[in-house]
Amino acid sequence: EAAVTQSPRNKVAVTGGKVTLSCNQTNNHNNMYWYRQDTGHGLRLIHYSYGAGSTEKGDIPDGYKASRPSQENFSLILELATPSQTSVYFCASGVGTGGNTGQLYFGEGSKLTVL
Amino acid sequence: AQSVTQPDARVTVSEGASLQLRCKYSYSATPYLFWYVQYPRQGLQLLLKYYSGDPVVQGVNSFEAEFSKSNSSFHLQKASVHWSDSAVYFCALSSTGGYKVVFGSGTRLLVSP
Repeated sequence: EAAVTQSPRNKVAVTGGKVTLSCNQTNNHNNMYWYRQDTGHGLRLIHYSYGAGSTEKGDIPDGYKASRPSQENFSLILELATPSQTSVYFCASGVGTGGNTGQLYFGEGSKLTVL
Repeated sequence: AQSVTQPDARVTVSEGASLQLRCKYSYSATPYLFWYVQYPRQGLQLLLKYYSGDPVVQGVNSFEAEFSKSNSSFHLQKASVHWSDSAVYFCALSSTGGYKVVFGSGTRLLVSP
């Protein structure tokens, strides 16, 4: 069954540490996205990608890097984690063209706590 | 730049009553518009989508939405809500190329018995 899988599902990190959130999709979609969800802000776009090797900055990219080494995998990297990055992070995949353009398929989220 | 505004953070309705959740968008071209629902501790699931044509689109679980270009709106509606509709609802907009997808801040719906 096609799916978007995130790991880890829960992570506690220390301030200044490095955190990598991983996402794998079996939908064969070109586009992948990382969002963070915070009360009062909804989902805010951090980075996205429209294919292997590409990454684009979203609306709140500061403090985050992204990596898309293959069609299936898209990682979000926090080189120096800060408490303000405590949040729930969602990965999604989507098609860029055709009948389902813009429709996203979401993973179940990764809860990150930075102490 | 593209943006989505959901003006109501919380909406409470009685079971069996009708529902409207509001969504306003800003985009220079014709947008692709979506409504998603999020149940507790889950990711988002698509309710319905609008690309073009008939401004009223039907979705899952008897939800529908109406696109208005003149009002830059895409409001979600349901004729009779059920307690199981309690969730957070997100409106989203995709650029024409389908690359960048932005979301509103969400509306938490509480259906009271």
